[in-house]
Amino acid sequence: EPEVTQTPSHQVTQMGQEVILRCVPISNHLYFYWYRQILGQKVEFLVSFYNNEISEKSEIFDDQFSVERPDGSNFTLKIRSTKLEDSAMYFCASTLIRNEQFFGPGTRLTVL
Amino acid sequence: KQEVTQIPAALSVPEGENLVLNCSFTDSAIYNLQWFRQDPGKGLTSLLLIQSSQREQTSGRLNASLDKSSGRSTLYIAASQPGDSATYLCAVMVEYGNKLVFGAGTILRVKS
Repeated sequence: EPEVTQTPSHQVTQMGQEVILRCVPISNHLYFYWYRQILGQKVEFLVSFYNNEISEKSEIFDDQFSVERPDGSNFTLKIRSTKLEDSAMYFCASTLIRNEQFFGPGTRLTVL
Repeated sequence: KQEVTQIPAALSVPEGENLVLNCSFTDSAIYNLQWFRQDPGKGLTSLLLIQSSQREQTSGRLNASLDKSSGRSTLYIAASQPGDSATYLCAVMVEYGNKLVFGAGTILRVKS
């Protein structure tokens, strides 16, 4: 059964460093998303991506964040200069036609 | 702004009981509603998707209902098992957007 995959499963970085989180969505899906979940808090929407451009973004998704689909399979989230408060679990999701969203296993980001 | 609330926050039941998890949302302009299961430290597994035009969906021992006009959904779990122990999340897709808004979840523990 097709599934969303994410790498790495855990990333530890120093404050101020750049990180890139990678996702491989389900192959025929057209809509892609990033969400995050700070420990003990709700899952929060960050950004949605369709037709090679951002379709919606939240207030959290400021200039420090960017997304890219560099080829036909990968979908990446870059954080340019990490802050302590960026520590969270980051989930990638995809869907075919703005319907049931399928989530990856997540990347746990720890900023020291 | 759409807000999603889940009640109860936690639930502990003996094996075999039928149970109901509740989800409410403040804005009835939704496109669909999705129920997820999250195991500790893991990703989100989609359980059921209900379109805004539907009243309920069933999958095995799970039944989800939707009353869009009153802003409510329930997830019914029949004959609960210890393997059902997890956090259950409700999320709505806003009608005029492209994102899921999540509730805080119900932590379910089924005792054997």
